Amino acid sequence: KAGVTQTPRYLIKTRGQQVTLSCSPISGHRSVSWYQQTPGQGLQFLFEYFSETQRNKGNFPGRFSGRQFSNSRSEMNVSTLELGDSALYLCASSQGTSGETQYFGPGTRLLVL
Amino acid sequence: QKEVEQNSGPLSVPEGAIASLNCTYSDRVSQSFFWYRQYSGKSPELIMSIYSNGDKEDGRFTAQLNKASQYVSLLIRDSQPSDSATYLCAVNSGSARQLTFGSGTQLTVLP
Repeated sequence: KAGVTQTPRYLIKTRGQQVTLSCSPISGHRSVSWYQQTPGQGLQFLFEYFSETQRNKGNFPGRFSGRQFSNSRSEMNVSTLELGDSALYLCASSQGTSGETQYFGPGTRLLVL
Repeated sequence: QKEVEQNSGPLSVPEGAIASLNCTYSDRVSQSFFWYRQYSGKSPELIMSIYSNGDKEDGRFTAQLNKASQYVSLLIRDSQPSDSATYLCAVNSGSARQLTFGSGTQLTVLP
């Protein structure tokens, strides 16, 4: 099976812009979770989608949003970018059962100038 | 606030030695525990998952879980230079499908 894919892999934006990141989960997986990784804060949970519905949300401002499509692909959007949004954004895929393993994609590295 | 703490690194061990990585968690209802390995510039990859008290072995890796002590560890036997990476402990609590991660322990295996 193909793994989790994320596009784009690298992105450079300027403050105030918005960005959309995409994630395609492992075939058959219906849950997609998004995480932000920074050197200072480590890996932090953003939100999780299952069957096109957001089931869980982390402690991030409303500028961070996401959605999931009927084919389980997911996008996350960050509006009004700030310098502190520079990070590695990771998508993780699972079948959707509580407590199960999540498999990570390669990530999108976002740099905000 | 659910917390996951890992022993501060960096940790250096000689090639062939046993590397011991430790993790404690604060949420007593935590049910699922994971160890991920992350190479510099790469994404986390799963090494082990453990759900029940006791030991779980997979090749050179052994995960140990003690729910009473809220403690989970990872032992790497016969450490190799290729094991040099950051090891992340992750915990899934209750019905939530979010993982709470520790800050990671950077391991260096010296040839």
